[in-house]
Amino acid sequence: AQSVSQHNHHVILSEAASLELGCNYSYGGTVNLFWYVQYPGQHLQLLLKYFSGDPLVKGIKGFEAEFIKSKFSFNLRKPSVQWSDTAEYFCAVNAGGYNKLIFGAGTRLAVHP
Amino acid sequence: DSGVTQTPKHLITATGQRVTLRCSPRSGDLSVYWYQQSLDQGLQFLIQYYNGEERAKGNILERFSAQQFPDLHSELNLSSLELGDSALYFCASSHLQEDTGELFFGEGSRLTVL
Repeated sequence: AQSVSQHNHHVILSEAASLELGCNYSYGGTVNLFWYVQYPGQHLQLLLKYFSGDPLVKGIKGFEAEFIKSKFSFNLRKPSVQWSDTAEYFCAVNAGGYNKLIFGAGTRLAVHP
Repeated sequence: DSGVTQTPKHLITATGQRVTLRCSPRSGDLSVYWYQQSLDQGLQFLIQYYNGEERAKGNILERFSAQQFPDLHSELNLSSLELGDSALYFCASSHLQEDTGELFFGEGSRLTVL
């Protein structure tokens, strides 16, 4: 069965620190990959996506993610976090032929001023 | 604002009861998805409708049912409620028939079963 693993459930950083959130998926075929973010009290919103092409994708608010097919990974990065990045981050996979989005368990990021 | 509207935002009920959650998709979106978010199970896909027809089914219990109406709004019916059904229920919409994963989420309906 397909699954998505996010390595860290809670991450605490100071402002200006660099961020990397790990995401691995299990599926051998073609996948579409996503990072969604949920700010406190708000709905899930798309941060960035990868369908094909350049494996390094850039999203909103300075986030980027790199798809490494050989490692089945899609890690999220940001060089310098801000307090306003405090949120829960979800990695998600849509595998070819399946009409459903599979989410990881989420990573809660707290950024301290 | 994602454009997806869910009501009610909060709901408290007792075991054995039945509730209906409502979702209005973004204008022009034909697909509606329901997800359940709980502390132990994370975000679980329940069901998808496209233009009134059921398109895909996930981990939806037999006690739960959904439908999408001609005006494209959707309802998720939860019956014979159990304590474990307490969760945040999200609706999402997209324009595409196939679920590429680019969804627009509502703010969720938080259900508490006592």
